[in-house]
Amino acid sequence: NAGVTQTPKFRILKIGQSMTLQCTQDMNHNYMYWYRQDPGMGLKLIYYSVGAGITDKGEVPNGYNVSRSTTEDFPLRLELAAPSQTSVYFCASSYVGGGLNQPQHFGDGTRLSIL
Amino acid sequence: ELKVEQNPLFLSMQEGKNYTIYCNYSTTSDRLYWYRQDPGKSLESLFVLLSNGAVKQEGRLMASLDTKARLSTLHITAAVHDLSATYFCAPEGIDSWGKLQFGAGTQVVVTP
Repeated sequence: NAGVTQTPKFRILKIGQSMTLQCTQDMNHNYMYWYRQDPGMGLKLIYYSVGAGITDKGEVPNGYNVSRSTTEDFPLRLELAAPSQTSVYFCASSYVGGGLNQPQHFGDGTRLSIL
Repeated sequence: ELKVEQNPLFLSMQEGKNYTIYCNYSTTSDRLYWYRQDPGKSLESLFVLLSNGAVKQEGRLMASLDTKARLSTLHITAAVHDLSATYFCAPEGIDSWGKLQFGAGTQVVVTP
């Protein structure tokens, strides 16, 4: 199994540009998440989804949008990129339910610089 | 809002010695996860602690959870260089099903 796959791995954007970070999982997990990790810091939740068609805001949603049209895919959209969005972005997925919440599985991350 | 505090944030370990990382959190939680992150890499799940008094061990690492004290510990026995990494604790709030709140991480460096 590939697990959680993120593309691209690296990207440099100019201020004001837009882009979509892709995330796909093949584990049939119901929950998916987007985090950002700033240097030397922990992870902050941007958005999450409990299933196809259902998304909700996390701790730091401003400047981002998500959609979840299928169980497998959970893209993160950056509109009008700002330097403050320079970070490493991680996508994760997990199975939640039945009293057996599994640990989140993480992708390899996307390193994004806004210049 | 669930707040998480890890101590220490940086830990320089000598090979062969024992150390403990502490994870305190602010509100009720009965599930807590520990992750490891190598520099420039993704996060790897280490332990899932699902109830008060839970103890899990894997090799030189042992994690425990005290939900009444809102405290989890990660104990490292006889540290070796391969354990150099950043360790994160992440409790799941009792009213935040499926959502984790990550601590700032403890950067561990093991030297001879």
